[in-house]
Amino acid sequence: DTGVSQDPRHKITKRGQNVTFRCDPISEHNRLYWYRQTLGQGPEFLTYFQNEAQLEKSRLLSDRFSAERPKGSFSTLEIQRTEQGDSAMYLCASSLGTSGGGNEQFFGPGTRLTVL
Amino acid sequence: AQTVTQSQPEMSVQEAETVTLSCTYDTSESNYYLFWYKQPPSRQMILVIRQEAYKQQNATENRFSVNFQKAAKSFSLKISDSQLGDTAMYFCAFIISGAGSYQLTFGKGTKLSVIP
Repeated sequence: DTGVSQDPRHKITKRGQNVTFRCDPISEHNRLYWYRQTLGQGPEFLTYFQNEAQLEKSRLLSDRFSAERPKGSFSTLEIQRTEQGDSAMYLCASSLGTSGGGNEQFFGPGTRLTVL
Repeated sequence: AQTVTQSQPEMSVQEAETVTLSCTYDTSESNYYLFWYKQPPSRQMILVIRQEAYKQQNATENRFSVNFQKAAKSFSLKISDSQLGDTAMYFCAFIISGAGSYQLTFGKGTKLSVIP
């Protein structure tokens, strides 16, 4: 399967702990996105990378959140000092980068985070 | 601010019948792309259909078609000959073209159930 993969699929943690999620995009895709989806809502944009450069961050991405994409391949999303409000599905997507932004974003299965 | 409104939280349709899901959006931009994404239960989100705002012709993909009314900022999805596999959450989304931002803005979704 050459789709977007995410690890882990589920994470349960205690409030105050740090967690890190990994996303492996489709290999030829240079753009990578992180979204957060809470119950009953559509995904909300968090951040976007073109190759290794983080070019856009949402105001939802507080200073407890950090994302990286070393070498423009896989990406990690770390949440420090987790809070119960961080409980959500974290979705990763990737796309080919061409002008206009209209290319399909391919989504991974998500990492479901539960903060106790 | 860009927003997407899906006014039907839940819908149901008999197998083989036709159903239309509503979506309205708000943006001051004139160039953008519109999407319908499908999220089956416990499975990842996949693209159903895409529409470029500068194209007058409505997009179609097999049993899926859209009614795009740019002046009314309306983008409805019609599913013909509904199948059990169409049961899913459906999200309407758009992305601004050429603004250097590649974030998808999603609605809250419509839960569609296809009844045998």
